[in-house]
Amino acid sequence: DAGVIQSPRHEVTEMGQEVTLRCKPISGHDYLFWYRQTMMRGLELLIYFNNNVPIDDSGMPEDRFSAKMPNASFSTLKIQPSEPRDSAVYFCATQSGQFMNTEAFFGQGTRLTVV
Amino acid sequence: QKEVEQDPGPLSVPEGAIVSLNCTYSNSAFQYFMWYRQYSRKGPELLMYTYSSGNKEDGRFTAQVDKSSKYISLFIRDSQPSDSATYLCAMKSGTNAGKSTFGDGTTLTVKP
Repeated sequence: DAGVIQSPRHEVTEMGQEVTLRCKPISGHDYLFWYRQTMMRGLELLIYFNNNVPIDDSGMPEDRFSAKMPNASFSTLKIQPSEPRDSAVYFCATQSGQFMNTEAFFGQGTRLTVV
Repeated sequence: QKEVEQDPGPLSVPEGAIVSLNCTYSNSAFQYFMWYRQYSRKGPELLMYTYSSGNKEDGRFTAQVDKSSKYISLFIRDSQPSDSATYLCAMKSGTNAGKSTFGDGTTLTVKP
């Protein structure tokens, strides 16, 4: 398996533009997490899905952020409109099951810069 | 206040030194404790996990949990330049084992 695949790896956009980040989970993994990482705030959980259903979106900072998982093979995180403070590295992670010893596998991340 | 607190460092040590990385937590429901390692411009990867209080050893790495103090540690013996990375602690509760709560990470540099 190629692991968790995120695209694009880098994104530079102007303030006010719509940004869409994409994630392809590891086949068979039923949990999918979106994280945001910055120097100031560390690794923050934004939202997570179980079997394509959003379970907890309490970490989504504002209504400008939305996430979908239309099927088991694909998820998107959308920011509309984008702002400079959204600049961060966004990670997608997936895992199989909710057992204590279940490991979360992270993608390489998308480095977003909003100018 | 965050549920998991971790000193961000940065921490710089000479090669061969013993490194101690620590996290404290406030949620007594946390039962499962993990350490992830994150190299520059990469995603975090699981390094070690432990369920109970006590020590768990894996090569040069030892994870230690003290539930009574809500304190966990990761020790690295004979540190190598290849250990230079950010180390994040993470924890799960028994009631919501699908979700991990992460510390902010400690950045370690091992100088040759």
